[in-house]
Amino acid sequence: ETGVTQSPTHLIKTRGQQVTLRCSSQSGHNTVSWYQQALGQGPQFIFQYYREEENGRGNFPPRFSGLQFPNYSSELNVNALELDDSALYLCASSGAGTGYHNEQFFGPGTRLTVL
Amino acid sequence: AQSVTQLDSQVPVFEEAPVELRCNYSSSVSVYLFWYVQYPNQGLQLLLKYLSGSTLVKGINGFEAEFNKSQTSFHLRKPSVHISDTAEYFCAVSPTGGFKTIFGAGTRLFVKA
Repeated sequence: ETGVTQSPTHLIKTRGQQVTLRCSSQSGHNTVSWYQQALGQGPQFIFQYYREEENGRGNFPPRFSGLQFPNYSSELNVNALELDDSALYLCASSGAGTGYHNEQFFGPGTRLTVL
Repeated sequence: AQSVTQLDSQVPVFEEAPVELRCNYSSSVSVYLFWYVQYPNQGLQLLLKYLSGSTLVKGINGFEAEFNKSQTSFHLRKPSVHISDTAEYFCAVSPTGGFKTIFGAGTRLFVKA
């Protein structure tokens, strides 16, 4: 059973640019969540995808968007980057339905720096 | 809505001493409770979880936590810490019928020799 992987590990962008971060979920997990972790803070929920549909969103603007694919991969897209978008972005996969209890398996994260 | 408060931002402790990391939560619905650990430059790893049943939950690496419903707390404990336990610890809650996980701000455990 493979774990959750994310790419790239690090990324540097300039303000106003667009970025795509990628995640490969644990096999068999049909739910993926994305989190933003600013330096010194806990992860903040961005949104969740379940079977390729957005299942819920946190307090993030529409320039944060996502995609989930049938092969357990997913993307986080951020348009019009701002300096405050600099953070560690984490994806987490989980199963759904009884027996999973919202337990999530996290990837190592992508460190995004916006200059 | 749910919220999580980790009462200590940093906890320094000597090796082999006991430690308690405190967590209080607020929720109007039933929740699952979690503790995660994050080592430098890594993602989060699940330490333990409370779903239902016994209020004392044992996790990996010798950690345990006790769910106290009346005090809405879920404190994490270890009887004897090691240098390798130095990391950031996050308490989290998730509604049993929902999808969103809310994390606390984290507690940095620093184990000194």
